[in-house]
Amino acid sequence: ELKVEQNPLFLSMQEGKNYTIYCNYSTTSDRLYWYRQDPGKSLESLFVLLSNGAVKQEGRLMASLDTKARLSTLHITAAVHDLSATYFCAVTPSGTYKYIFGTGTRLKVLA
Amino acid sequence: NAGVTQTPKFQVLKTGQSMTLQCAQDMNHEYMSWYRQDPGMGLRLIHYSVGAGITDQGEVPNGYNVSRSTTEDFPLRLLSAAPSQTSVYFCATADGPNYGYTFGSGTRLTVV
Repeated sequence: ELKVEQNPLFLSMQEGKNYTIYCNYSTTSDRLYWYRQDPGKSLESLFVLLSNGAVKQEGRLMASLDTKARLSTLHITAAVHDLSATYFCAVTPSGTYKYIFGTGTRLKVLA
Repeated sequence: NAGVTQTPKFQVLKTGQSMTLQCAQDMNHEYMSWYRQDPGMGLRLIHYSVGAGITDQGEVPNGYNVSRSTTEDFPLRLLSAAPSQTSVYFCATADGPNYGYTFGSGTRLTVV
C-alpha cells in the first residue's frame, strides 16, 4: 500500500526565515505534485515535478524531486505571512492513474 | 469558463438516505477524481476516471458509486449515508498525468 508522508505536520515560523517541508513516498513514482490549501477553501496546484532532479520555483517557494530517494522537498525562502496555509504533496504511483495525497503540512508564518 | 462546478455546496442527510453529489467540468479534461477530506486530515481518493466510460476505485470506495457517461460529468452517489461519511468532498480534474489537478469548491456533507 502506498504511503505518502509529510513532515513536519505543523510548522510555525517567523517571517523572513527559511524552512523545508519534506514529502516521502513508499513506492516508485516519477510524478509528484504540490498543492496549497487555505483554511476553508479548496486546493490550488503549485508545482508539477515530472522527472528525477526536477526543480520548479515560484516566488518564495521551490520544489524538487529525487525519485531514487522517493523524496520531494518544498523549500520556503524568507517566509511571509501570506504563505500561511496547508501544503500537500501528491504522488502518482508508476503504472497507475491515481493521485495519492500526503498528510499535509500546516504552515503558520508569524509576523 | 466555469472550470469545475460542484453541487450542492452544503447538504445534511439522515442516516440511510441516498444522494448524488454532482461534478461538472468544461475544460475537456480526461482525468476526474473524487476525494474526501476529514478535519485535520489529508485527502483520500474515493473513485477516479481517466475518460468517459472508465472508472476505478481509489483508497476508500466503500459506500460510494460513480459513473462517467460523458467527459464533462462525474457524479458521486452515496448509496446509504452513514455518519462516517460526514466530510468535505472535492471533485478534481486534470488534463492527463503530467498536469496538476484543478479542484472544485467542495461539498460539505453532514450525515445525522
